Amino acid sequence: AQSVTQLGSHVSVSEGALVLLRCNYSSSVPPYLFWYVQYPNQGLQLLLKYTSAATLVKGINGFEAEFKKSETSFHLTKPSAHMSDAAEYFCAVSGDAGGTSYGKLTFGQGTILTVHP
Amino acid sequence: GAGVSQSPRYKVAKRGQDVALRCDPISGHVSLFWYQQALGQGPEFLTYFQNEAQLDKSGLPSDRFFAERPEGSVSTLKIQRTQQEDSAVYLCASSPREGGSAPLHFGNGTRLTVT
Repeated sequence: AQSVTQLGSHVSVSEGALVLLRCNYSSSVPPYLFWYVQYPNQGLQLLLKYTSAATLVKGINGFEAEFKKSETSFHLTKPSAHMSDAAEYFCAVSGDAGGTSYGKLTFGQGTILTVHP
Repeated sequence: GAGVSQSPRYKVAKRGQDVALRCDPISGHVSLFWYQQALGQGPEFLTYFQNEAQLDKSGLPSDRFFAERPEGSVSTLKIQRTQQEDSAVYLCASSPREGGSAPLHFGNGTRLTVT
């Protein structure tokens, strides 16, 4: 069974400050990992994904995440927050890297990011 | 259209009514998923289709929930005898291929409110 834990349901930062959203996963097999962003009344949009290539993954809008197997973590960061980054962020784990999974995602509970001017 | 389309965007149902939620995936996408997102929670898996075949329905919460994708494109999620606990946003997602690394493309969801 797989699970995802996002530490902190709410994170607040000032515009221009570092953004750090935490995600830890549990998986019995090498995972695929994803970060999605959800704006109000919209669906989820992919930010980035880890698929067992480089451990540091760069995504859209200046976000990146680092896969750390020893810590079972996949934290999302952005060096300088922008007002438009305010949204809810979801970490998700999928199947196994052996290619037998059809892509079913298990999501964390989400972290709401607030950006103050 | 360019993305996954869901209709209606909002649905209000009285307890006990049946509802049908529609999903138009991106053309040519093989995989289709339904998720349920309760207020303040992450999406939770309901069911998965590969083309017209429903390969996983382990997330459907009860036998009141039924999904179909008869021609391998449009899908419908039906909820019979709705209950208040069914109130949630129902998200549809599609993917061009089967596989754990394939990112899902989500629609904007249908917000169901059961009164």
